[in-house]
Amino acid sequence: NAGVMQNPRHLVRRRGQEARLRCSPVKGHSHVYWYRQLPEEGLKFMVYLQKENIIDESGMPKERFSAEFPKEGPSILRIQQVVRGDSAAYFCASSPLDRAAGELFFGEGSRLTVL
Amino acid sequence: QKEVEQDPGPLSVPEGAIVSLNCTYSNSAFQYFMWYRQYSRKGPELLMYTYSSGNKEDGRFTAQVDKSSKYISLFIRDSQPSDSATYLCAFYTGTASKLTFGTGTRLQVML
Repeated sequence: NAGVMQNPRHLVRRRGQEARLRCSPVKGHSHVYWYRQLPEEGLKFMVYLQKENIIDESGMPKERFSAEFPKEGPSILRIQQVVRGDSAAYFCASSPLDRAAGELFFGEGSRLTVL
Repeated sequence: QKEVEQDPGPLSVPEGAIVSLNCTYSNSAFQYFMWYRQYSRKGPELLMYTYSSGNKEDGRFTAQVDKSSKYISLFIRDSQPSDSATYLCAFYTGTASKLTFGTGTRLQVML
């Protein structure tokens, strides 16, 4: 019974390149969340998606960042024209519709390094 | 004032000690209180989940919530080296989409 799968686990990009992070939720989970963790900081909410819908993107930077959760396939977090400040661990989490609020299942994260 | 305050540690204790981890919060809308454990280079995993003020016990772990003081605690009895991890408090209003996390307290249990 696979948990949340994220890939790549590690990604190195040069400034100006694009980063694509993928997340497959726990089978049967229809809610996906992306969080960012900077060194010495807590997890910060970025976006909440359901299949084919962005429900809440209040934590997403206004530019260069986008997310999707298509009908088929994994959720994608896309960062265009990366800058050094984007270096962080990006965690995806999922939850089933019928679980109590706040019970999230996290993946192991994708660690982005921008050179 | 930050919405959540959590001492980052590190906290080093000998094996078998009782550990107390704490968070304070300022948002009265928080209704659900959680503790997540995060091992190095891994994702957080839910450890304890409470809704009301008072204590909730699960094995060696006890979560305590004091809504009047806006203060939550996690106690670990008979701590083990395998408890060495970062412990994150987390809060949820019940209506918003997101959890609000503390910065985490790094715990090291020494042999």
